[in-house]
Amino acid sequence: EVQLVESGGGLVEPGGSLRLSCAASGLTFSNYWMHWVRQAPGKGLVWVSRISPDGSITNYADSVKGRFTISRDSAKNTLYLQMNSLGAEDSAVYYCSARTSRTSPDYWGQGTLVTVSS
Amino acid sequence: DIQMTQSPSSLSASVGDRVTITCRASQSISTYLNWYQQKPGKAPKLLIYVASSLQSGVPSRFSGSGSGTDFTLTISSLQPEDFATYHCQQTYSTPLTFGGGTKVETK
Repeated sequence: EVQLVESGGGLVEPGGSLRLSCAASGLTFSNYWMHWVRQAPGKGLVWVSRISPDGSITNYADSVKGRFTISRDSAKNTLYLQMNSLGAEDSAVYYCSARTSRTSPDYWGQGTLVTVSS
Repeated sequence: DIQMTQSPSSLSASVGDRVTITCRASQSISTYLNWYQQKPGKAPKLLIYVASSLQSGVPSRFSGSGSGTDFTLTISSLQPEDFATYHCQQTYSTPLTFGGGTKVETK
């Protein structure tokens, strides 16, 4: 059974940093494109970032470019999202997802909540 | 960026109704379109991928169609567990944009 488990969310002050993790199991991690998607309270889904199976390609939404960094550790089957210079607009549930290609089904984690507030 | 426009943003329906939700892309995305169901406090659940492929385990009352810029999600006979919010997402190019969502509520 595929499992994606996010962690690392919490309360952080504006301007602060946070690193999210997504531990993957039940799949061959090195075959999957990994994504972060976020959802502010009561709002829709917003794609944040993705990383290629070998980590060589990364893409970001304009709203986080230059502030967020996606990375992965294949030895630990774990995806990361380093978030810097956080603002209130970054408050959301952050989900990780995995798919082998843009035409394949995907898997999602349960999400981790990030709240940016003083 | 490709804009995804979903309609309606909400609808009221009864058990047994046929429900149709549409998603329009601002440019052609071939069939690179997924549909998700989301219930409150839960992660999105994939229903349909590449516009019309039914995800394993998803009931056959769900179906998807379309290509290019216009797509449709149909629930042939609405069941009590189908009251939820539905999202479309294009996987054609980054940023992988979502539609605004359609909330299906009980009439």
